Amino acid sequence: QVTLKESGPGILQPSQTLSLTCTFSGFSLSTYGMGVGWIRQPSGKGLEWLANIWWDDDKYYNPSLKNRLTISKDTSNNQAFLKITNVDTADTATYYCARMRMGNWFAYWGQGTLVTVSS
Amino acid sequence: DIQMTQSPPVLSASVGDRVTLSCKASQNINKNLDWYQQKHGEAPKLLIYYTNNLQTGIPSRFSGSGSGTDYTLTISSLQPEDVATYYCYQYNSGYTFGAGTKLELK
Repeated sequence: QVTLKESGPGILQPSQTLSLTCTFSGFSLSTYGMGVGWIRQPSGKGLEWLANIWWDDDKYYNPSLKNRLTISKDTSNNQAFLKITNVDTADTATYYCARMRMGNWFAYWGQGTLVTVSS
Repeated sequence: DIQMTQSPPVLSASVGDRVTLSCKASQNINKNLDWYQQKHGEAPKLLIYYTNNLQTGIPSRFSGSGSGTDYTLTISSLQPEDVATYYCYQYNSGYTFGAGTKLELK
């Protein structure tokens, strides 16, 4: 059974760095073809793709945010991470991680974690 | 960057109706498109991958079609539980979600 769960700070201040963790089970990010992506959604708005990381450590970033994003993984502990630097109120959103396998579609999603940026 | 335009933004339909949602890409995306359903307060769910492949466990009333720049999600007979927002997503060049179509019951 594949499960994913996001965790984050809940609230942080403008200019800080947001660190998110996706802890998953039921698959390994060291297995050929596996990948994890991060997607966010401001309250009442649409989905925005942020970044993907693959089993071979290949990484892809949203070009509009690329300079602020870093995606990484810890295959030993079944975790993927996303860091967003210099946050502001526009980064307030629910952040999701999701699994990909062989294709770029997100077949499994976490429940999401709400992050609020506020002074 | 590839832009994805979904129409209509809001669609009202009755139970049993055949419903068609549209997604148009700003350039050819070679069928590299998925459809996701998001119910209020829930995470998105994959319905259709690579244009017309039904994800396991999704009812057969959902189907996808299209090519080039124009793609469609069809619900053959709308059910009350289909009330949700539907997003298309392309991964031919970069990765982009459409803005969504909110499906309501009339």
